Amino acid sequence: TQLLEQSPQFLSIQEGENLTVYCNSSSVFSSLQWYRQEPGEGPVLLVTVVTGGEVKKLKRLTFQFGDARKDSSLHITAAQPGDTGLYLCAGTSNTGKLIFGQGTTLQVKP
Amino acid sequence: EAGVVQSPRYKIIEKKQPVAFWCNPISGHNTLYWYLQNLGQGPELLIRYENEEAVDDSQLPKDRFSAERLKGVDSTLKIQPAELGDSAVYLCASSFTPGHIQYFGAGTRLSVL
Repeated sequence: TQLLEQSPQFLSIQEGENLTVYCNSSSVFSSLQWYRQEPGEGPVLLVTVVTGGEVKKLKRLTFQFGDARKDSSLHITAAQPGDTGLYLCAGTSNTGKLIFGQGTTLQVKP
Repeated sequence: EAGVVQSPRYKIIEKKQPVAFWCNPISGHNTLYWYLQNLGQGPELLIRYENEEAVDDSQLPKDRFSAERLKGVDSTLKIQPAELGDSAVYLCASSFTPGHIQYFGAGTRLSVL
């Protein structure tokens, strides 16, 4: 069974701080996605990484896919209150199923 | 273009009662998914449809849960009878094909009392 472990589960920081969220697995995934979910809404796709070692940037968010395609990280620079939400990583399994991590709840205080 | 539409947004029922959720996927999306999401957790797949065929229902508790997508467009997920532990958010998602991006609806938050 392919599993994704996210850490930390909860993160509460002040506006302007940097943070990193990790997504780890013992399995290889063909691709990995990061979603952000706000209360009362469904997850919204932020990025998909496909190639081992790939780095993608989305404004203040930097996503990295591990060389072995087993892990990924999300780094936010100078966090803002609008970044508050549940961040989910999800890997595409060898059967095409999307497997989600348990999520990281981020709170950015003004 | 309209996104994935789910209704109702909220449902409160007593245990042992039946409940149904409805999902209308994005037009042209052949693949439809139902997920269960507990508070502060990631979604877990319940069932995946390719057009009107359920191709992955291994995680669907078939003793009380059922789903249908009769015409390969909108879908209904039913629980009968509901239990306290069924309280969660039920998310619907759709994609053009299984390998394409999944777009999620806002979900139905179920509370079983």
